[in-house]
Amino acid sequence: SQTIHQWPATLVQPVGSPLSLECTVEGTSNPNLYWYRQAAGRGLQLLFYSVGIGQISSEVPQNLSASRPQDRQFILSSKKLLLSDSGFYLCAWKRGGESYEQYFGPGTRLTVT
Amino acid sequence: GQNIDQPTEMTATEGAIVQINCTYQTSGFNGLFWYQQHAGEAPTFLSYNVLDGLEEKGRFSSFLSRSKGYSYLLLKELQMKDSASYLCAAQDSNYQLIWGAGTKLIIKP
Repeated sequence: SQTIHQWPATLVQPVGSPLSLECTVEGTSNPNLYWYRQAAGRGLQLLFYSVGIGQISSEVPQNLSASRPQDRQFILSSKKLLLSDSGFYLCAWKRGGESYEQYFGPGTRLTVT
Repeated sequence: GQNIDQPTEMTATEGAIVQINCTYQTSGFNGLFWYQQHAGEAPTFLSYNVLDGLEEKGRFSSFLSRSKGYSYLLLKELQMKDSASYLCAAQDSNYQLIWGAGTKLIIKP
């Protein structure tokens, strides 16, 4: 069966500090991978998605970036965090192709102080 | 533009039935998803509709009308554990999900 991991679970970082969140998927190959952010009481905002190694599509221009160095690894980064970067970050995967559901990791709650 | 509308909050009684509505406007359409999200947790998949009609899964059912751009999630025999947010998401022509803000469902004993 497939499993998706995210870490860390919670993170408190000062403004201006760097960020690295990691997501890995087990039990499948060549998945589509997604990074979302969810503000408190709000819906999901798609940040980045990837259909293969080294292929990243950005949905929202901001101070975040994403990389996919391996087939089942997806990394979200920032060089300098802003207060507005606080939120619940969710990684998700789905089988490559058309209409398949997305499965979410447990999420990282980031607070920028 | 692309848009998903669903009520912000609903309240229902344990043991009752509740219907959560969702209307969508997308560039192309490749199906409608419903997810459940408990507070502080990740969303979990509930249902997928791509054809008109009702899909039943135990206590949960989901309905789609493509001509009306409308879907609903029906929850029967409500239990306290059904207290959660329910997210509606429409898949556009590029197979990307457009998400609603979610409906917070409060179940009272």
